[in-house]
Amino acid sequence: DADVTQTPRNRITKTGKRIMLECSQTKGHDRMYWYRQDPGLGLRLIYYSFDVKDINKGEISDGYSVSRQAQAKFSLSLESAIPNQTALYFCATSDVGQSDTQYFGPGTRLTVL
Amino acid sequence: AQSVAQPEDQVNVAEGNPLTVKCTYSVSGNPYLFWYVQYPNRGLQFLLKYITGDNLVKGSYGFEAEFNKSQTSFHLKKPSALVSDSALYFCAVRALYSGAGSYQLTFGKGTKLSVIP
Repeated sequence: DADVTQTPRNRITKTGKRIMLECSQTKGHDRMYWYRQDPGLGLRLIYYSFDVKDINKGEISDGYSVSRQAQAKFSLSLESAIPNQTALYFCATSDVGQSDTQYFGPGTRLTVL
Repeated sequence: AQSVAQPEDQVNVAEGNPLTVKCTYSVSGNPYLFWYVQYPNRGLQFLLKYITGDNLVKGSYGFEAEFNKSQTSFHLKKPSALVSDSALYFCAVRALYSGAGSYQLTFGKGTKLSVIP
């Protein structure tokens, strides 16, 4: 969905490095999410935010942190990357007025060597 | 805890034939149910959702899904498959209630659909 953008689209980094993945949306949604996708495991929720002052841990938050800089921006950080964080990362947004239907960005493919 | 099962890792169907991608769910209370499609190197695209009302839901690209409460299923269907339908399909569920945790969307592991020319 072009209304949700993610940068970078691909990133290769080394173990121990700090990495930030960024997400921006023009949908005007209050709610934003970060997921990771691993082959055969589907999508798992890392963090979510219902508004700028609200941050919540998801199913697999260990090793990750987030920042909600504005309604439209939600960043995911890996403080010290490790190889098992190699995955496809997706940002999503939703609006409670639309039954919280989530709309996804194109994803960031992260490889940790 | 809520869960989604997609019992088939892969579904193969000939072009022009009807297709079905299966999904069963478990959730407390009434569910919100969703189908998403992921094309190679792309994000997930919303296809359709069931909230309430008619058990047959129509969505994008000619897809539809049938909600069956007694069987806790929400199978995705299309009358005539196209080669361009080949992709990874995800079913997702969340509980229809407000309160802590009501946001959480639980995804199945995905079903790879291959439409053979």
